[in-house]
Amino acid sequence: DTAVSQTPKYLVTQMGNDKSIKCEQNLGHDTMYWYKQDSKKFLKIMFSYNNKELIINETVPNRFSPKSPDKAHLNLHINSLELGDSAVYFCASSQVHNYEQYFGPGTRLTVT
Amino acid sequence: AQTVTQSQPEMSVQEAETVTLSCTYDTSESDYYLFWYKQPPSRQMILVIRQEAYKQQNATENRFSVNFQKAAKSFSLKISDSQLGDAAMYFCAYRRASGTYKYIFGTGTRLKVLA
Repeated sequence: DTAVSQTPKYLVTQMGNDKSIKCEQNLGHDTMYWYKQDSKKFLKIMFSYNNKELIINETVPNRFSPKSPDKAHLNLHINSLELGDSAVYFCASSQVHNYEQYFGPGTRLTVT
Repeated sequence: AQTVTQSQPEMSVQEAETVTLSCTYDTSESDYYLFWYKQPPSRQMILVIRQEAYKQQNATENRFSVNFQKAAKSFSLKISDSQLGDAAMYFCAYRRASGTYKYIFGTGTRLKVLA
């Protein structure tokens, strides 16, 4: 029983392409997050949704657009991919009044 | 703005020995949570231990314990009886107890366990 799942786990694509990463959680949590982990392992929050409402929107290029069709899903769409977008992207979830955060396995995105 | 600092990019410990990883943070909040996450080579982020700021007692989970010094804004992780499987990146993280539920992570400490 996977708590937070992401697809795909690996994504290799060329500059200029558009790609999506999907995230699903079966924990019944009401808050979901997207993080970016760069090559130096620095983990930075990008977005957060609470009950399908965007509550955190860090300084991220407009090419990144999150979409939350329901509480259990948070997808990340990236337009016009650039070399600097290469990183590991983590999805996470938590219950707003329970501070434990659970992470997905990560998606390693490589832009060539 | 809140910040989390891990001043040790890398640490080594002999198997079965004890090691302490340092973390300091800066906040003007009085109520918050602190966490240690482990990221092994598999890259899965695993919650190791958490501490509520309002609790004076230090959290403990089996071989993992913390030294929480609220006044000093320090939150170190002690790993006792180190095992080869403890080798990983360790991240300290902070979250306010209310308001936007944003987690702030430190830059991580790579722990090597020597056989």
